[in-house]
This record gives sequence, structure tokens and C-alpha cells, in this order.
Amino acid sequence: QQPVQSPQAVILREGEDAVINCSSSKALYSVHWYRQKHGEAPVFLMILLKGGEQKGHEKISASFNEKKQQSSLYLTASQLSYSGTYFCGTAAGSARQLTFGSGTQLTVLP
Amino acid sequence: DAGVIQSPRHEVTEMGQEVTLRCKPISGHDYLFWYRQTMMRGLELLIYFNNNVPIDDSGMPEDRFSAKMPNASFSTLKIQPSEPRDSAVYFCASSLTGGRAPNEQFFGPGTRLTVL
Repeated sequence: QQPVQSPQAVILREGEDAVINCSSSKALYSVHWYRQKHGEAPVFLMILLKGGEQKGHEKISASFNEKKQQSSLYLTASQLSYSGTYFCGTAAGSARQLTFGSGTQLTVLP
Repeated sequence: DAGVIQSPRHEVTEMGQEVTLRCKPISGHDYLFWYRQTMMRGLELLIYFNNNVPIDDSGMPEDRFSAKMPNASFSTLKIQPSEPRDSAVYFCASSLTGGRAPNEQFFGPGTRLTVL
């Protein structure tokens, strides 16, 4: 089942902060975040694993609440280059495939 | 190193025609994924392979869709016959076996398919 992302869209000014949420009705083993710019392919940002391990982007942070089956992506001091659509992808157990949410469109204005 | 390569980048065809999309994964990667992206349905996994073997094809919409991976460096997604509702961007992605969870996926540039 597809994870639910919120908000669907957000507009902010350069330098402002944003939080994007991802929640699932299934028990999760890992949560993956990708960013897609218009007309381009999704690009990997971060993986969060059950148990607290993380791998990913230097300037973007995220959290993973295993009990609530939720993850949040924190974009601080947004830059113009952060604009794009952010997708969370979830994996249950040892499955290697991801199920992606519907995306959050982030627009950063000067 | 070259990333994931897909061809063609754009395909316009008429309903009923056969369409073949091609993908070359990153050398050494052992997982290959085919996705379809539309405004209505988002990013959907169609099928994925591990070491050239199809593992899960439950996302393939119907029998008109088929995928093959004859070797580690090449995969095809075929639609026969094509229909207007197949119009979408098709992405191929590859990844390397990681630890205890799926590893990062590297996406190709996609093929934009338009079926008239």
C-alpha cells in the first residue's frame, strides 16, 4: 500500500525551513527519500533504517519513527536548488522493492 | 562512469503498435527496476530483476506488458499492443545489493512514451 505524504505542496522563501512527512499503514524496515526536478529522473537523498542507521545527504536531515511508521524530512535554510518534488519510498522486511508516495512539490522562491 | 542508460528518450506511436523500451544498468549492479510515472498514479513499480531473474512482476498492468533481462547489461520492456492509457514516462533504475535493506537506486533519464 502506498505511503501517504504531506503536505502535497509547499511554497517557501529562500532561507526558510520545511518539513515533509511520510506515513505508512505497514510496519516499515526502511524509508528512502528521493528528489525529482521537473523533467528529470528521481535522485537519491537518504535512507533511514529500522534501528537508527542513516545514510545520505549532508545538508538534509530526516527522522524515522518506527513505532508510528512515520518519517519526516527536514529542509533547513532552504536554497533555490531545493525546489522539486520529494518522494518517500518504503520497504517492508527484507523486500528489495520500494513503494513510493505520491510526492510533495516544494517550491523555493528568491 | 556512465549512469543508467535508456533508449529511446522519446517515443511517439499509434495505438496498436508494439513498443520496446531499452535499459542498460550501471555496470556491476545486480538489481534492475522498471517504473512508470504518470500524474494520476505517481511512480509505480512494474517489475524488478535480481541477477537477471524476474523477482516480482505484480506491478505489470496486464498481459500486454512484458520485460526481459537476457544479461546483466541489458533489459527491455515491451508493450504489445500499445494503448493511449500507456502514455507515461518509463524509468529504469539499478542498484547494488546493500546490507540489510534496499540500497539507493540510480534512475535513468526515462523514456517519455506517447500513444496516439
